[in-house]
Amino acid sequence: EPEVTQTPSHQVTQMGQEVILRCVPISNHLYFYWYRQILGQKVEFLVSFYNNEISEKSEIFDDQFSVERPDGSNFTLKIRSTKLEDSAMYFCASTPRGWGGTDTQYFGPGTRLTVL
Amino acid sequence: AQSVAQPEDQVNVAEGNPLTVKCTYSVSGNPYLFWYVQYPNRGLQFLLKYITGDNLVKGSYGFEAEFNKSQTSFHLKKPSALVSDSALYFCAVRDGGTGGFKTIFGAGTRLFVKA
Repeated sequence: EPEVTQTPSHQVTQMGQEVILRCVPISNHLYFYWYRQILGQKVEFLVSFYNNEISEKSEIFDDQFSVERPDGSNFTLKIRSTKLEDSAMYFCASTPRGWGGTDTQYFGPGTRLTVL
Repeated sequence: AQSVAQPEDQVNVAEGNPLTVKCTYSVSGNPYLFWYVQYPNRGLQFLLKYITGDNLVKGSYGFEAEFNKSQTSFHLKKPSALVSDSALYFCAVRDGGTGGFKTIFGAGTRLFVKA
């Protein structure tokens, strides 16, 4: 069964550095998402992406964050000038379609980001 | 605004007994409701969803959930729990009225099934 993959599984960085988290969505899916889960807390929506544009974003997704689909398979989340509070598990997800919001999101295994 | 409440941080049940994990929601439009399970150091795995139609939804691993519009609830159930069901369970909701994919998750309920 096809699945969403994410690399790296664990990223450690120094405060103030930039990180790029990578995701490979399921190949025929058209919508892509990033969520984060701070340790012990709920999963929070960050952004959805379709047709090379952000379609929705949360208040968390400020100018520190950006997303990109640099080629036909990868979907990346860039976090500039990382802060201690950015430490979390970041999940990528994808859906086959977008319109209507009924499709199931398939999640990757996550990247644990630790900011020191 | 969308919101989801999972009133129990933890549910304990003996193997073979029925289990219920509670979820209530609030949306302005039609609710699209989901249950996900998370095992340690793993991502979220989809269990089931309610979009429209029959209020009783059957999903993976023998789980089911009942949509109750009047009580704005979507409780997850299983007739006979297994030790391997022990995990963290998340209820989630989207507002069908927006047509979008912003999904709001509950805080999660940890299920412990004792042998």
